[in-house]
Amino acid sequence: AQSVSQHNHHVILSEAASLELGCNYSYGGTVNLFWYVQYPGQHLQLLLKYFSGDPLVKGIKGFEAEFIKSKFSFNLRKPSVQWSDTAEYFCAVNGGSNYQLIWGAGTKLIIKP
Amino acid sequence: DGGITQSPKYLFRKEGQNVTLSCEQNLNHDAMYWYRQDPGQGLRLIYYSQIVNDFQKGDIAEGYSVSREKKESFPLTVTSAQKNPTAFYLCASSIVPQGRAGNTIYFGEGSWLTVV
Repeated sequence: AQSVSQHNHHVILSEAASLELGCNYSYGGTVNLFWYVQYPGQHLQLLLKYFSGDPLVKGIKGFEAEFIKSKFSFNLRKPSVQWSDTAEYFCAVNGGSNYQLIWGAGTKLIIKP
Repeated sequence: DGGITQSPKYLFRKEGQNVTLSCEQNLNHDAMYWYRQDPGQGLRLIYYSQIVNDFQKGDIAEGYSVSREKKESFPLTVTSAQKNPTAFYLCASSIVPQGRAGNTIYFGEGSWLTVV
């Protein structure tokens, strides 16, 4: 069965620190990859996605993610975080012919001002 | 404004009662979904519907039922058969089924259900 692993459930950083949130998946075929974010009190919303092409994907608010097929990874990065990046981040993967997205458990990111 | 509206936001239910969570979207999306979110776990798919009058079980459908009589509406009933119903429930929709190229899933604000 497909699975998605987010290594850190909680991350605490100071403003201006660099961020990398890990996401690994278990599926050997073609995949579509997503990062969603949920800011406090708001809806889940799409941060960025990868379907094909350049494995380095740019998203909103300065986030990017790199798809490394050999490592089955899709880590999320931001060079300098802000207090407003405090949120929960979810990685999701779709692979194969079914219509289901498989979700990671989420990472709660807290940025100290 | 276009979006997904879930109601109620907070609901308390006594054991043994059925309860229905409402989900309405005005995005003209064909596909709709219900997820359950528990602390420390990813979203788990309960039911999904790709088109009106059709729906499919997700990973954790036991104890739940849905209907899709109208394109814009996808209510979820949590029945008394659901062993552990206390959770946060998210409704979502997309133009085409999730995961397809170019597709994005849009979420409602969620409904908290507590069994007392």
